[in-house]
Amino acid sequence: GAVVSQHPSWVICKSGTSVKIECRSLDFQATTMFWYRQFPKQSLMLMATSNEGSKATYEQGVEKDKFLINHASLTLSTLTVTSAHPEDSSFYICSPLDRYEQFFGPGTRLTVL
Amino acid sequence: GQNIDQPTEMTATEGAIVQINCTYQTSGFNGLFWYQQHAGEAPTFLSYNVLDGLEEKGRFSSFLSRSKGYSYLLLKELQMKDSASYLCAVRVYNQGGKLIFGQGTELSVKP
Repeated sequence: GAVVSQHPSWVICKSGTSVKIECRSLDFQATTMFWYRQFPKQSLMLMATSNEGSKATYEQGVEKDKFLINHASLTLSTLTVTSAHPEDSSFYICSPLDRYEQFFGPGTRLTVL
Repeated sequence: GQNIDQPTEMTATEGAIVQINCTYQTSGFNGLFWYQQHAGEAPTFLSYNVLDGLEEKGRFSSFLSRSKGYSYLLLKELQMKDSASYLCAVRVYNQGGKLIFGQGTELSVKP
């Protein structure tokens, strides 16, 4: 299967700081990247969809100025949580699309103090 | 709108069979996926159905009825390691292939 990496795997930060999460598809090129977040005991909620070289499309209720997505290349996408607050604490998962098959990164656990 | 329903939790006994149901109401259906997710980990792919019928893969089978908006995941010969959350997800047409997830079913397998 395809290999997807996320970095960092976990991060603890202070309220008000920004955190960048990287997602790499190691053995395929992802023209489309989905970003999900998952709160405890809940399912995955789609945050945004990005296509390489284009602006991301955000789901309703997700602030585009708070969650900055960059998909500059076919193998790298980043999600930056700006001015993080405790309510942003969650499990963030990237999901690159390889033609018709969707893969998942191992996730990043963000804890905002 | 999009709506996907699954039971919140289920309990079964080791060695038994369990069926996890999923009903959906979506526009532009383009396939249904089942994923397994252990706590703190990303989902792992189990099955994919786009046509009606049963897909069997070892101890796991998945069924789809598009006319009824219904799917189920069947797990046979349950093992303790099957304790996990099982996510039903629908792919939607013309929206970049994104997956819409149900809330997940937490399965507990007991000895």
